[in-house]
Amino acid sequence: AQSVAQPEDQVNVAEGNPLTVKCTYSVSGNPYLFWYVQYPNRGLQFLLKYITGDNLVKGSYGFEAEFNKSQTSFHLKKPSALVSDSALYFCAVRGSNDYKLSFGAGTTVTVRA
Amino acid sequence: GAVVSQHPSWVICKSGTSVKIECRSLDFQATTMFWYRQFPKQSLMLMATSNEGSKATYEQGVEKDKFLINHASLTLSTLTVTSAHPEDSSFYICSARVGNEQYFGPGTRLTVT
Repeated sequence: AQSVAQPEDQVNVAEGNPLTVKCTYSVSGNPYLFWYVQYPNRGLQFLLKYITGDNLVKGSYGFEAEFNKSQTSFHLKKPSALVSDSALYFCAVRGSNDYKLSFGAGTTVTVRA
Repeated sequence: GAVVSQHPSWVICKSGTSVKIECRSLDFQATTMFWYRQFPKQSLMLMATSNEGSKATYEQGVEKDKFLINHASLTLSTLTVTSAHPEDSSFYICSARVGNEQYFGPGTRLTVT
């Protein structure tokens, strides 16, 4: 079975400060990892993914994530957070042989001005 | 980019009635479509996987007779909530897969009174 853990329900940072949202995963075989963002009453917007290659993945809106196989982690980062980054963030994983995504519980990010 | 639409975006219905939600891939043909349910401030729970021209595969605990899925074409899948009850009130999100990518719809807010 595959699963995702997002250990923090909420992350609060000041605008301009670095933002990190944590994610660890469990999956059989090679992981396909994704980050999505959701604004209130909206669907999910894709931020970035890791399938293979460079462990540091760059995505939309200045976000990046680092795949760490030994720690089974895929933390989302942004060097300088904006107030508009305030939203709900989901990490998701699937195996290489299955297209079903398993989502973490989500982390609410609040960036204060 | 690939766009997935859902209709309606929100619906209110009376207990005992049925509601149909449409999911369309607007500018691509989707190999597979997925239906998720999301409760307030919670993660997405996969309900079923839908492939064009075949029966949907439901996740454990999801009543297939209650949540009818029809996948008539490579661009359209529908979810019908039959004999809706207040506990079916939720945010329903679909996604469409092409290759390794899943694109999410904006969601449908269902309220059953």
